[in-house]
Amino acid sequence: DVKVTQSSRYLVKRTGEKVFLECVQDMDHENMFWYRQDPGLGLRLIYFSYDVKMKEKGDIPEGYSVSREKKERFSLILESASTNQTSMYLCASSLSLGTTYEQYFGPGTRLTVT
Amino acid sequence: GDSVTQMEGPVTLSEEAFLTINCTYTATGYPSLFWYVQYPGEGLQLLLKATKADDKGSNKGFEATYRKETTSFHLEKGSVQVSDSAVYFCALNQQGGSYIPTFGRGTSLIVHP
Repeated sequence: DVKVTQSSRYLVKRTGEKVFLECVQDMDHENMFWYRQDPGLGLRLIYFSYDVKMKEKGDIPEGYSVSREKKERFSLILESASTNQTSMYLCASSLSLGTTYEQYFGPGTRLTVT
Repeated sequence: GDSVTQMEGPVTLSEEAFLTINCTYTATGYPSLFWYVQYPGEGLQLLLKATKADDKGSNKGFEATYRKETTSFHLEKGSVQVSDSAVYFCALNQQGGSYIPTFGRGTSLIVHP
């Protein structure tokens, strides 16, 4: 089974702090994604990556950056955390070829910025 | 662009009731269709999928049929359990196209004993 792990389940940070959220998948998937999930808004794509060192902006990239130095690891960075970034953050991965692109999700990180 | 519309929740049912969660989509071409489920405190997981018209996806007693003529993929279960309480997301991916899925906003299901 594909396993996607996220570095923290719960995180509390102060306004202005730099925050790192890490995601690791163990099934050699090419594609990795970061979403945020807010009540009433569903899932919104922040960034995605289709290969090592490659990244593309999603629908809401402002205030975030990402890093993918190894195929299995995709990091989300909040350069200067703000209270409006309090949310649930979900990482996902998928294969590029030979599938219907179904996604495999991590358990999520609930981030609170105070 | 592509879009997915789900019925708004929460849907509240008693145990052993019949469940339907409606999902309709707008897409060019021939997308693959999915239902994902998110249990409390967890990430999403794939529940079932269908890749072409008239296909039926099924898993854990849930079913959905790909209806191209009505652009729908409604989720059904004959007898829900308390453990089915979760948020259900309908989604699509374009086959041979972008691997970024389009998700609906999710429908919360609450099942009472």
